[in-house]
Amino acid sequence: DTGVSQDPRHKITKRGQNVTFRCDPISEHNRLYWYRQTLGQGPEFLTYFQNEAQLEKSRLLSDRFSAERPKGSFSTLEIQRTEQGDSAMYLCASSLSNSGNTIYFGEGSWLTVV
Amino acid sequence: KNEVEQSPQNLTAQEGEFITINCSYSVGISALHWLQQHPGGGIVSLFMLSSGKKKHGRLIATINIQEKHSSLHITASHPRDSAVYICAVSISSGSARQLTFGSGTQLTVLP
Repeated sequence: DTGVSQDPRHKITKRGQNVTFRCDPISEHNRLYWYRQTLGQGPEFLTYFQNEAQLEKSRLLSDRFSAERPKGSFSTLEIQRTEQGDSAMYLCASSLSNSGNTIYFGEGSWLTVV
Repeated sequence: KNEVEQSPQNLTAQEGEFITINCSYSVGISALHWLQQHPGGGIVSLFMLSSGKKKHGRLIATINIQEKHSSLHITASHPRDSAVYICAVSISSGSARQLTFGSGTQLTVLP
């Protein structure tokens, strides 16, 4: 399967711990997006990379959140000092840079902060 | 007011019924996406359109740019169509390349 893959799929962590999620986009896709989705809501944009450059960040991405895409391939999203309000599904998506191209989503990483 | 509004929020139908889900948006867009999300989270892109109409199997998506409105139709609905259907737009202003999502329509098709 050469779709967008995310790891781990589920994570339960105690408040105050750090967590890291990984996203492997479709191999030729140069754009990578992170979204957050809470129960009953549509996803909300967090951040976007074109190759290794982080071009946009949402106000939702507080200073406890950091995302990287060091070699322009896989990306990591780290949440430091997790809070219960961080509990959500973190979705990764990728696409080609032509704006007419479809965005492909991963299965998401569920985070529960207890 | 959300920039993308979907209706209805919840929809229950009998197998075989024709289903319509509506999406209205209030901003200029470069494209509109219809997405399907199954329990467990995975999102599948159904359509991306910027004008007119697209058809794939039993699914039809239409968009009216002037009215800022799109519809997703499912013909001959089946229980396996049960999912959350999400409308999302690519906003054309500024440098925004992210999608802005509606809150989704939960569809349940009963056998």
